[in-house]
Amino acid sequence: EVHLVESGGGLVQPGGSLRLSCAASGFTFSNYEMNWVRQAPGKGLEWVSYISGDGTNIHYADSVKGRFAISRDNAKNSLFLQMNSLRAEDTAVYFCARDVPLSSYFDFWGQGTLVTVSS
Amino acid sequence: SYVLTQPPSVSVAPGQTARITCGGDNIGGNSVHWYQQKPGQAPVLVVYDDSDRPSGIPERFSGSNSGNTATLTISRVEAGDEADYFCQVWDTTSHHVFGGGTKLTVL
Repeated sequence: EVHLVESGGGLVQPGGSLRLSCAASGFTFSNYEMNWVRQAPGKGLEWVSYISGDGTNIHYADSVKGRFAISRDNAKNSLFLQMNSLRAEDTAVYFCARDVPLSSYFDFWGQGTLVTVSS
Repeated sequence: SYVLTQPPSVSVAPGQTARITCGGDNIGGNSVHWYQQKPGQAPVLVVYDDSDRPSGIPERFSGSNSGNTATLTISRVEAGDEADYFCQVWDTTSHHVFGGGTKLTVL
């Protein structure tokens, strides 16, 4: 059974940094592209970042480009999101989501981890 | 960037049919996917590639896509279908794009 479990969220001051993790199990992690998607309180879903299975192809939403960095460790079945220069508008629940190969949708999502940026 | 427009809310009585639209410029040329999200939970894929259903999703959920509008149709609506629904496409410049979401209320 596929499981995605996020961790690392918390309260951080504006300008601070945080590193999110997503532990994957139940599938061959390296075969799948992965993403981070966020949801601000009471708002809709916003795609944040994408990484290919081998980690060589990476994309970011304009709203986080230059501040966030996605990475993965296939040996440890883990996905990461390094978030720097955090702003109040980055406050959201962050989900990791699995991309279906050769398609454009997400078939499994984690439960999310809450990031709150506030002084 | 590509924009998807959904109505903020849709209300329907139990047993009736709910239709949730997703508008976008020539969206019929894209594959549209739909997610259901209940409060405090992660989104769940309910329709992919316009009209296909993942295993475990009831046949009551169906989708269509043509022209500038994609539609998620939920037949014989049940109380348990009350949730937020989001459409999503892949765009070459914006990558994964989501609609703003529609809150389905079962009266």
